[in-house]
Amino acid sequence: QVQLVESGGGVVQPGRSLRISCEVFGVSFRGYAMHWVRQAPGKGLEWVAVISSDGDNKYYADSVKGRFTISRDNSRKTLFLQMNSVRPADTAVYYCARPPSPVAGTNYYYDFWGRGTLVTVSS
Amino acid sequence: EIVLTQSPGTLSLSLGESATISCRASQSVSSNYLAWYQRKPGQASRLLIYGASVRATGIPDRFSGSGSGTDFTLTISRLEPEDFAFFFCQQYGSSPTTFGQGTHLEIK
Repeated sequence: QVQLVESGGGVVQPGRSLRISCEVFGVSFRGYAMHWVRQAPGKGLEWVAVISSDGDNKYYADSVKGRFTISRDNSRKTLFLQMNSVRPADTAVYYCARPPSPVAGTNYYYDFWGRGTLVTVSS
Repeated sequence: EIVLTQSPGTLSLSLGESATISCRASQSVSSNYLAWYQRKPGQASRLLIYGASVRATGIPDRFSGSGSGTDFTLTISRLEPEDFAFFFCQQYGSSPTTFGQGTHLEIK
């Protein structure tokens, strides 16, 4: 059974750091790019970041560039998002999603999604 | 970036009826790269349609997508209990990819 399982969410103070993870079960991970997408309360989904299958290419939304870092461990079938200098506007449910391509681009739909992990930035 | 506007925000229908959800883009979606997803509470989102009209693997033919350019539609015929959920569209023809606000389909 295919599962993308996010973890690591929680409450974090503004300006602090948090790392969230996404472990993949039942479907190939190594040969595919991976994305993070978020949804703030009451708002639509927003693309956050993408990493190529080999981890060499990474791209970010302007809203997180310079603060967030996407990475992956293919041996552990796990995707990460290091979130630094977080802001209240980063409060959202964060989803990992897998497109049908190894390429780090945003011109793809998503075959598989996780259920999400909630990150709340608040003092 | 392309803004996607979905309507209606909430749709209340009875079992056996048909649902029609609209996704309008602020500019033409390149190559009709438009996808539709379904999400139920506590579950992962499921890909329904890509390329505006291609059903994903395992999706019943009650689900159909149509449209081109800036206007796209998801139609669900003969509504069954498991169809009631949250639906959203995504354009992936232009970077960055963007999403509609979503539509809640509820049982009347």
